Amino acid sequence: SQKIEQNSEALNIQEGKTATLTCNYTNYSPAYLQWYRQDPGRGPVFLLLIRENEKEKRKERLKVTFDTTLKQSLFHITASQPADSATYLCASGYSSASKIIFGSGTRLSIRP
Amino acid sequence: DAMVIQNPRYQVTQFGKPVTLSCSQTLNHNVMYWYQQKSSQAPKLLFHYYDKDFNNEADTPDNFQSRRPNTSFCFLDIRSPGLGDAAMYLCATSRIRTENTEAFFGQGTRLTVV
Repeated sequence: SQKIEQNSEALNIQEGKTATLTCNYTNYSPAYLQWYRQDPGRGPVFLLLIRENEKEKRKERLKVTFDTTLKQSLFHITASQPADSATYLCASGYSSASKIIFGSGTRLSIRP
Repeated sequence: DAMVIQNPRYQVTQFGKPVTLSCSQTLNHNVMYWYQQKSSQAPKLLFHYYDKDFNNEADTPDNFQSRRPNTSFCFLDIRSPGLGDAAMYLCATSRIRTENTEAFFGQGTRLTVV
């Protein structure tokens, strides 16, 4: 069955360093991958989308890559700040179908 | 400017007593989703609508039903809530276009079953 997985439950890094989160998918080929931020007790908020024909996308301090050979997306936050502490969710969808499915998320903590 | 609104934010219901959660949107999106999220877990898709077309996930229990009377509103009905149904329920919308498929989420309804 189709699976989207985020292998790290939690990641703890020093302020100012680059945080790198990983998302892997198996048994299907998503048309796009998305990354969301979720704060405790709140709904996820969309950050970035990358399509299967794109290798990299950037938005301010965020960068996302999509490697269809490795079946993997990496999400980077450069110059991390304590305010970046949250759970980050990877999600995927197809262009031919309307549903979006989520990975279990990585809880990122940035220590001052 | 809330775009996806879920009511109530917190719902306490008795074991076995039917409960309805509601979601409304001002985005005029054609897709609406209901997700169940338990602590430290992924949002789990229960079902979604593409316009009026209802799409149930294979592993969604029969205890969960949904209605979408119009574009703006969607309801989640839990016919006989069990203790295992306590969770955050998230409603989301999206418009399926090649350049814009992000999901917009409501704040969620936290359901407690007593």
